[in-house]
Amino acid sequence: DAKTTQPPSMDCAEGRAANLPCNHSTISGNEYVYWYRQIHSQGPQYIIHGLKNNETNEMASLIITEDRKSSTLILPHATLRDTAVYYCIAVNSGYSTLTFGKGTMLLVSP
Amino acid sequence: SQTIHQWPATLVQPVGSPLSLECTVEGTSNPNLYWYRQAAGRGLQLLFYSVGIGQISSEVPQNLSASRPQDRQFILSSKKLLLSDSGFYLCAWASMGNDQPQHFGDGTRLSIL
Repeated sequence: DAKTTQPPSMDCAEGRAANLPCNHSTISGNEYVYWYRQIHSQGPQYIIHGLKNNETNEMASLIITEDRKSSTLILPHATLRDTAVYYCIAVNSGYSTLTFGKGTMLLVSP
Repeated sequence: SQTIHQWPATLVQPVGSPLSLECTVEGTSNPNLYWYRQAAGRGLQLLFYSVGIGQISSEVPQNLSASRPQDRQFILSSKKLLLSDSGFYLCAWASMGNDQPQHFGDGTRLSIL
């Protein structure tokens, strides 16, 4: 699976959009980009995933660049409960296991 | 809807004692099942995964073992715990097929004394 690079931490004001970047310059054509988050002392929570096209669900939007070398997770209106570590992962569709790195610690402040 | 249950939530065990952690999934059939460990300050490490009853794949050789006696039950075991087995153990499930996200339980925090 391709290596991903994320900033170690980010801050966001409550009510504003949180834009979390992820670089995956070595991603291959059949690897999906997945996003999870983990609130302290809880299991990771699936957020969203995509292959080529931008995706949106009730939690977030995922913007993938045309060359697929990077992506951005967007939380449109961040709340205090969105404070968590966010993980970006590139997963080969032929495999079913996940490898989490260190992620981005997002702190949402009042 | 599908749910995943892990227990216990926390566990304190002495070195050399046995271990049994249980994970069950409801609301789905023939899921892929996974055991992960997360050491303090580190990312997730895949320990075992299973695509069917009695089928276990091990990612990391160690003194842990896994079993899948029923379709929606996944058990993590050890005969003799080591200090290095301390950590946060997570069970996850996913529907079969490509492009299926994994969904995690709330985890078991294991401390070895």
